Parts: sequence; C-alpha cells; structure tokens
Amino acid sequence: DQQVKQNSPSLSVQEGRISILNCDYTNSMFDYFLWYKKYPAEGPTFLISISSIKDKNEDGRFTVFLNKSAKHLSLHIVPSQPGDSAVYFCAAQRTDSWGKLQFGAGTQVVVTP
Amino acid sequence: GAGVSQSPSNKVTEKGKDVELRCDPISGHTALYWYRQSLGQGLEFLIYFQGNSAPDKSGLPSDRFSAERTGGSVSTLTIQRTQQEDSAVYLCASSPQREPSTDTQYFGPGTRLTVL
Repeated sequence: DQQVKQNSPSLSVQEGRISILNCDYTNSMFDYFLWYKKYPAEGPTFLISISSIKDKNEDGRFTVFLNKSAKHLSLHIVPSQPGDSAVYFCAAQRTDSWGKLQFGAGTQVVVTP
Repeated sequence: GAGVSQSPSNKVTEKGKDVELRCDPISGHTALYWYRQSLGQGLEFLIYFQGNSAPDKSGLPSDRFSAERTGGSVSTLTIQRTQQEDSAVYLCASSPQREPSTDTQYFGPGTRLTVL
C-alpha cells in the first residue's frame, strides 16, 4: 500500500526556471514531511523538511509547501541549476513513530542549460 | 566527520545463497535504519534499531531477512536463501534521535544486490 505518491517520474526544466515537484499522501496521521535528493551511486541526502503545523518552509532556493486538507506537498526550486539534476524523494512520517519514513517513488529532475 | 558507510558496494550472488550486508553508522548516532529500493520503486522501510530497545522489524518482507546491531554501532543485514526478487539497492541510515521534529536520517551509499 503506497502511502506516499509521486506521480511524475520525471521533470525537465530549463536552467534558471522554477522546478515544481509534487507529492501526495494518504495517511492523515503523517505529521512530518521531508524531501531527499539522490545522485547516482550515492545515498539520499536530506534537503528540506516541514512539520504539519506549518504550511511553508524555505531554505535558500528550496521551498516546501504543505496543504494538509489536500494531503499534498510540493517542492519548489528557484532558480533551477544544473547541479540540481538528481532524483528527488518525498518522505513522510508520524513523529510518534520514529524512524519509519514512508518514501515516494521519486522524481528524476533534469535541468538543461 | 565520516558519514554512513556500507559494504560491499555491489554483491552478485546465486539464488539460494545467503548474503550479509554491513553498515557502519555515523559515530554517536543512536538510531539505525535499513531500507531497500527495488527498481523503479521508492525506498521501502525494513528495520529500525534505537539504542538498546528491541528493534522494529515490521518492514522485513519475510523470515529470510534478519538484522543485528552489535554494541550499538555496526549493523549486519542477512538475507538467507536469496531469491531473484531480493535484487535491490539496500540502504542504511543513521540518526542522532534527539528530537522527532528535527531528526534527520543520514544515508549511506547503499549495497546493490543482484541475485542471479
């Protein structure tokens, strides 16, 4: 049962433009959400997170938006850079159940010059 | 400091053989996790160790899978009588477990397991 879904397997965006990655979840008990970035042959690295008490969190070029009523979150990258080309995973957890991150299938982002 | 390390980086085995995958977490991290990523899929939680508590094994797909964490540090994931559907990248992560709202899992590079 896939509780976290990333319905776009890939995204191509021009350098300097905005990348928008989407993620939907089904479990209303999730209260902490994360985005991880993964380069080939490396493990995922933490990018940004958001607690369910917030609807937006910003860190430099990266902003995560959370819409709890729609069970939807998105990651915005502005402006996109070639080094952002990677697979991005959305993850969710219940903070009363440490460690059991539920991951989406990932979105491959390609930033073109 | 050193990150999470895993060995081997690649493992090719024959169906029916046993394999052991190793994880060295970041020093001082009390929590350790195993995930696997099958082709085209997201990361799937397998097992979670926290300090001296009993591990959460709820994600292990069958009794052929087991894991140990010795001395609160190094962990070994063992797969007995491997099957072709076990082929995946096995990822280990560790975290300091200080606070649920800020805890971050740090991942190793993974072990790519191929069962022929």
